[in-house]
Amino acid sequence: DVKVTQSSRYLVKRTGEKVFLECVQDMDHENMFWYRQDPGLGLRLIYFSYDVKMKEKGDIPEGYSVSREKKERFSLILESASTNQTSMYLCASRRTGFSNQPQHFGDGTRLSIL
Amino acid sequence: DQQVKQNSPSLSVQEGRISILNCDYTNSMFDYFLWYKKYPAEGPTFLISISSIKDKNEDGRFTVFLNKSAKHLSLHIVPSQPGDSAVYFCAASDPGTSGTYKYIFGTGTRLKVLA
Repeated sequence: DVKVTQSSRYLVKRTGEKVFLECVQDMDHENMFWYRQDPGLGLRLIYFSYDVKMKEKGDIPEGYSVSREKKERFSLILESASTNQTSMYLCASRRTGFSNQPQHFGDGTRLSIL
Repeated sequence: DQQVKQNSPSLSVQEGRISILNCDYTNSMFDYFLWYKKYPAEGPTFLISISSIKDKNEDGRFTVFLNKSAKHLSLHIVPSQPGDSAVYFCAASDPGTSGTYKYIFGTGTRLKVLA
């Protein structure tokens, strides 16, 4: 069974801080994704990575960056946290880039920026 | 502009009856569609999918119907159970220009099954 683990369930940070969200998957999946979920907006793609050291911008990349140095780990970085980045952050992985492969999600990190 | 729309934010259904969740999309290039279920404080879990070359896919109590001409899909749950109470997200697979197959998610429908 696929396991996607996000390092923190809840996180509280201050505006201007640099914030790191970590995600690890244990199934040797090639693709990894970061989303944020907001009420009334659904899941929006921030960044994704289709292989180690490869990344591509999603729909809302502004204010974020990512790092994928190892296949199993995908990090989301908030360069200078702002209150509008308070949200639920979800990491997902997928075996390959084909459309019929479902994504597997972690349980999310609820991030509050004060 | 939202390419995948779930126009009903919430739905209440009596236990044992049919639940029908709807999803509309705008991009005819989407080649695969998926439904995810999400409980509070958990990540979304994959439920069922359908290829754009099919019009129906069934898995136990869950059936997804695709009407390509109307750019519409629906998820039927029969019979509905209280444990089905969750938020359901529709997603479409977008091959894009680089063939990396991103998902575009709808805004979700909260289903409440009443005992």
